[in-house]
Amino acid sequence: DVKVTQSSRYLVKRTGEKVFLECVQDMDHENMFWYRQDPGLGLRLIYFSYDVKMKEKGDIPEGYSVSREKKERFSLILESASTNQTSMYLCASSFRTTHNQPQHFGDGTRLSIL
Amino acid sequence: AQSVTQLDSHVSVSEGTPVLLRCNYSSSYSPSLFWYVQHPNKGLQLLLKYTSAATLVKGINGFEAEFKKSETSFHLTKPSAHMSDAAEYFCVVSVYTGNQFYFGTGTSLTVIP
Repeated sequence: DVKVTQSSRYLVKRTGEKVFLECVQDMDHENMFWYRQDPGLGLRLIYFSYDVKMKEKGDIPEGYSVSREKKERFSLILESASTNQTSMYLCASSFRTTHNQPQHFGDGTRLSIL
Repeated sequence: AQSVTQLDSHVSVSEGTPVLLRCNYSSSYSPSLFWYVQHPNKGLQLLLKYTSAATLVKGINGFEAEFKKSETSFHLTKPSAHMSDAAEYFCVVSVYTGNQFYFGTGTSLTVIP
């Protein structure tokens, strides 16, 4: 079974802090994604990566950056955390080659910025 | 352009009765379609997928979905609801690039004992 592991289930940080969310997958997937999920807004794509050191902006990249130094690991960085970044963050991965491969999700990180 | 519409934001059923969660899609290409379930404070779990083989797709936990191209629909059904089915359900479409997934806004399923 594919496993996508997010480093923290719950995280509390303060405004202005630099925050790192880590995601690791064990299925050699080329694609990795970061979403945030908010009530009434559904899932919104922040960034995705289709290869090591490659990244593309999603729908809401402002205030975030990402890093992909190894194929299995995709990090989301909040450069200077703000209260409006309090949310549930979901990481996902998938194969790149065809469109009929589903995404596989981690359990999420619920991040609170105080 | 691609989009997904989940026609009901909330559905309530009694335990043991059938479940129907509706999804319509719009796609310029032959799509792949997926249903996911999300339990509280958890990630999304794949229920089933349609990838242009059989139009009736069976998934986990007794769920199935039928792809109807003429109606651009991919509705999720289950013959008999269980209390453990109470969750949020998402319909998702993917197109040929393999990098883009389009999510519906979700349907919250309540199961009444």
